[in-house]
Amino acid sequence: QVQLQESGPGLVKSSQTLSLTCAVSGDSISNGGYYWNWIRQHPGKGLEWIGLIYFTGTTYYNPSLRSRITISIDMSKNQFSLRLSSATAADTAVYYCAREKRAGNWFDYWGQGTLVSVSS
Amino acid sequence: NFMLTQPHSVSESPGKTVTISCTRNSGSIGSTYVQWYQQRPGSSPTTVISENNRRPSGVPDRFSGSIDRSSNSASLIISGLKTEDEGDYYCQSFDSTSRVFGGGTKLTVL
Repeated sequence: QVQLQESGPGLVKSSQTLSLTCAVSGDSISNGGYYWNWIRQHPGKGLEWIGLIYFTGTTYYNPSLRSRITISIDMSKNQFSLRLSSATAADTAVYYCAREKRAGNWFDYWGQGTLVSVSS
Repeated sequence: NFMLTQPHSVSESPGKTVTISCTRNSGSIGSTYVQWYQQRPGSSPTTVISENNRRPSGVPDRFSGSIDRSSNSASLIISGLKTEDEGDYYCQSFDSTSRVFGGGTKLTVL
């Protein structure tokens, strides 16, 4: 059974960098059949795609966040990470990591989500 | 990039059928797959329809999906509504470098 687990600080100060990690179990992150995504959800709002990484290191980012995002992969630890710089209160959200099937491009497994609050 | 527009909310009675629409504003709805996710309060989203009209294992056949090229939209159809179907539903599609979600539709079964 594939599982994804987000981890990281639940509170970040404004202007600092928000950093999260997604640990993957039940599958190898080097499995070429999948992309590894970050998605967020502002309180009471809809889902917003942040970006993805492939095991080769290829990344795609949401254009509205591209200047502040870095997604990286650590195959030795079977995990991938998100860094969002210059955080503001507008970045307060539940952050999900999710596995996306390359065949069909749909998210088949999601983490439970982690709430990150940005304080001023 | 393109956008996907969904109705903010829909409601229907138990046992009835409801349709949730998802309209693409640019590019053809048929050019890339559309998926649908259900999210119950406090939970992560789960897939109810993938690749326009496929049901992942464990999803009841009361859930179905379709696309309509004439209106450039996709639809999620839920028949035989149950109270457990209440929640938020999101459509999602993609292009070569982006993934796009609709704004979500709140389904109330009353």
